Amino acid sequence: EPEVTQTPSHQVTQMGQEVILRCVPISNHLYFYWYRQILGQKVEFLVSFYNNEISEKSEIFDDQFSVERPDGSNFTLKIRSTKLEDSAMYFCASIGEGSYNEQFFGPGTRLTVL
Amino acid sequence: EDKVVQSPLSLVVHEGDTVTLNCSYEVTNFRSLLWYKQEKKAPTFLFMLTSSGIEKKSGRLSSILDKKELFSILNITATQTGDSAVYLCALKANAGKSTFGDGTTLTVKP
Repeated sequence: EPEVTQTPSHQVTQMGQEVILRCVPISNHLYFYWYRQILGQKVEFLVSFYNNEISEKSEIFDDQFSVERPDGSNFTLKIRSTKLEDSAMYFCASIGEGSYNEQFFGPGTRLTVL
Repeated sequence: EDKVVQSPLSLVVHEGDTVTLNCSYEVTNFRSLLWYKQEKKAPTFLFMLTSSGIEKKSGRLSSILDKKELFSILNITATQTGDSAVYLCALKANAGKSTFGDGTTLTVKP
């Protein structure tokens, strides 16, 4: 069964460092998303991406965040200068054509900022 | 601002019991309401509801949406210990943003 994959599964970084979280969505999917979940809290929308551009972003997704789909398969989330409060589980998700279809989540990357 | 409220926040039942989880919402532009099950890591999709009054069913799980009263319920019959998880309700207002509720933590005891 096709699945969304994410790497790494766990990333530890020092405050102020840049991190790139990687996702490979399901191959024929068109809509891509990043979410985060701080430990013990709700899942929060960060950004959606369609047709090679951001279609919507939340107030969390400030200038420190950026997304890219560099090669038609990978979908990356970059945090330029990490803060302690960026520590969370980051989930990538994708949806196939039509956007009314099931949203498949990746297994997540746990980011720990020290 | 879109809002999703789930109740109860936690629930403890015994195997064989039937449970009903609630999700109420406020939204400017409704597109769909989704239910997910979250165990250790990523949410896994259960149902997507777009129309009122049409029950979606998958085995022991079922869900229905009421767009007039702005709520949805998720029913699980004959619960098993493997049903223990956090159940998430999410609102999709357009093709982009999803707003998640806090989740209901279900614990099923043997």
